[in-house]
Amino acid sequence: QVQLQQSGAELVKPGSSVKMSCKASGYTFTSYYIYWIKQRPGQGLEWIGRIGPGSGDTNYNEKFKGKATFTVDKSSSTAYMQLSSLTPEDTAVYYCARGTSDYWGQGVMVTVSS
Amino acid sequence: DIQMTQSPSSLPASLGDRVTITCRASQDIGNYLRWFQQKPGKSPRLMIYGATNLAAGVPSRFSGSRSGSDYSLTISSLESEDMADYYCLQSKESPFTFGSGTKLEIK
Repeated sequence: QVQLQQSGAELVKPGSSVKMSCKASGYTFTSYYIYWIKQRPGQGLEWIGRIGPGSGDTNYNEKFKGKATFTVDKSSSTAYMQLSSLTPEDTAVYYCARGTSDYWGQGVMVTVSS
Repeated sequence: DIQMTQSPSSLPASLGDRVTITCRASQDIGNYLRWFQQKPGKSPRLMIYGATNLAAGVPSRFSGSRSGSDYSLTISSLESEDMADYYCLQSKESPFTFGSGTKLEIK
């Protein structure tokens, strides 16, 4: 069965970086984009961008350029997103999803606080 | 960026009601429109893709339609398990953009 397993919650300090993972199983990892989506507490969904695991091709929402960086490790079928220069406005749940949007990870709660 | 204007933001309804949520696209997106359901503390769930296609496992009381640049999600007879937030997403052009969401709640 298809699964996207994300890494655990993070509590980080302002100005630091965080790298989260999204491990795919049950399908051919390189055949589908991985999307990353942000959801601030009590707010709506925001599309950060996507990566094609086969090619490494990326599309970033302009709003997140310089903030988010996507990578993949094909050997472990894992996608990563690094967020840099964190501020309290980056406090949110971050989801990964398969490009067809039919499978989602459980989300990673990132809390930015001193 | 393509703007998705979703309405209403809140929709009080009674069990058994027929309800409709709408998203209007600021540019042509063809049928590149998906609908999601999200319950508190849970990941979003795909309900409709390609504007009108029911995703796997979704009850048949859900349906999607399109009229020009207006896209609708309809629940034919509301059940208690349908109380949730709903979002549309256009996947025609990067950056993909979500509607602002509709909270469906019991009247």
